[in-house]
Amino acid sequence: SQQGEEDPQALSIQEGENATMNCSYKTSINNLQWYRQNSGRGLVHLILIRSNEREKHSGRLRVTLDTSKKSSSLLITASRAADTASYFCVSNNNAGNMLTFGGGTRLMVKP
Amino acid sequence: NAGVTQTPKFQVLKTGQSMTLQCAQDMNHNSMYWYRQDPGMGLRLIYYSASEGTTDKGEVPNGYNVSRLNKREFSLRLESAAPSQTSVYFCASSVGGGYGYTFGSGTRLTVV
Repeated sequence: SQQGEEDPQALSIQEGENATMNCSYKTSINNLQWYRQNSGRGLVHLILIRSNEREKHSGRLRVTLDTSKKSSSLLITASRAADTASYFCVSNNNAGNMLTFGGGTRLMVKP
Repeated sequence: NAGVTQTPKFQVLKTGQSMTLQCAQDMNHNSMYWYRQDPGMGLRLIYYSASEGTTDKGEVPNGYNVSRLNKREFSLRLESAAPSQTSVYFCASSVGGGYGYTFGSGTRLTVV
């Protein structure tokens, strides 16, 4: 079974609002990554946070990691219609040789 | 452009037929992976190759075989396709150590 669980499974917001997605994982990790997938397309890497980091920013993205709770969150600020996509939390095991995907959050940003 | 190239992009097979999905990367990455994605779900690892000459099973290896032909190429073979293997297949590569993953654009496979 997949290691990660994401919450919510679907999210619908208006353009300009912030979107927050949460993720939990089960085992120790080397790092945690977030990917975006547009409908019918491949995956695009958004941001990576190492296990010894607690927060990371990249443009409108903010990721947090709480290894004690085995959880992460992705915040997209000032959302745009172009942010409409599925977002996946992906944990990387300690050996660094295997990604495990959550089920994803389907985000819809209405113009 | 540098990246991961998968062929074919679409394929329809009859139950029991065999086929090979091809994947090639030109980034000199050590590790390569095959994932499948079923509707509304995340990706699940089928097989991976941490380095040239090695392959290992992932979460869902049954019904598949792989070959790491050289550092650039990693193929996935379905010996006797089943409807349960209808999915979108993604190849990925990475520098190793958990960093620098790049995904291909996917192969949409339908088994009827």
